[in-house]
Amino acid sequence: GAVVSQHPSRVICKSGTSVKIECRSLDFQATTMFWYRQFPKQSLMLMATSNEGSKATYEQGVEKDKFLINHASLTLSTLTVTSAHPEDSSFYICSAPLSSGNTIYFGEGSWLTVV
Amino acid sequence: GENVEQHPSTLSVQEGDSAVIKCTYSDSASNYFPWYKQELGKRPQLIIDIRSNVGEKKDQRIAVTLNKTAKHFSLHITETQPEDSAVYFCAASDRYGNKLVFGAGTILRVKS
Repeated sequence: GAVVSQHPSRVICKSGTSVKIECRSLDFQATTMFWYRQFPKQSLMLMATSNEGSKATYEQGVEKDKFLINHASLTLSTLTVTSAHPEDSSFYICSAPLSSGNTIYFGEGSWLTVV
Repeated sequence: GENVEQHPSTLSVQEGDSAVIKCTYSDSASNYFPWYKQELGKRPQLIIDIRSNVGEKKDQRIAVTLNKTAKHFSLHITETQPEDSAVYFCAASDRYGNKLVFGAGTILRVKS
């Protein structure tokens, strides 16, 4: 069945460095993917919509220069956290609809710890 | 934009009792309302969903009701079991059914 895979599942990086998280749709093409962030004991907050072949759409309050999104192909979206700081430590998770208005699949999520 | 409110934030019930979690949404164009169960550090698991052309949907012990006029939808779990203990999130989609806005979540504890 349709699956969304995310990598890495856990990453630790030093403050000031950048880290890239990949989100892949397996068995289906995703022209749109979504990136969420979840702090401990909180809900999933939508960060941005990743669009294949065009710029991502960011939610209010999300810094587009800090959270770079690239939708390089119909099966891959990447989120790069640039100049990471400890407050960026969070659970990042992506999702992709099988097709517009269809079942939405989530990746496994990525734990980012910035030290 | 869409705003989803979820209540209660925590819910404790005795094993075998029913649990009800309620959500309201703001965007009348929303047409897809899923409910997720999430374990710590893992992806949300879809447990049931409903689309705007349906008022109620049931799957064994779990049911969801939708009132489009009032813009609210509810999750009902009957005959609760300890393994139902988890965090539950409601969500509402954009008009295309793709982008989800989540409620704040409900911690459900089922006491045996």
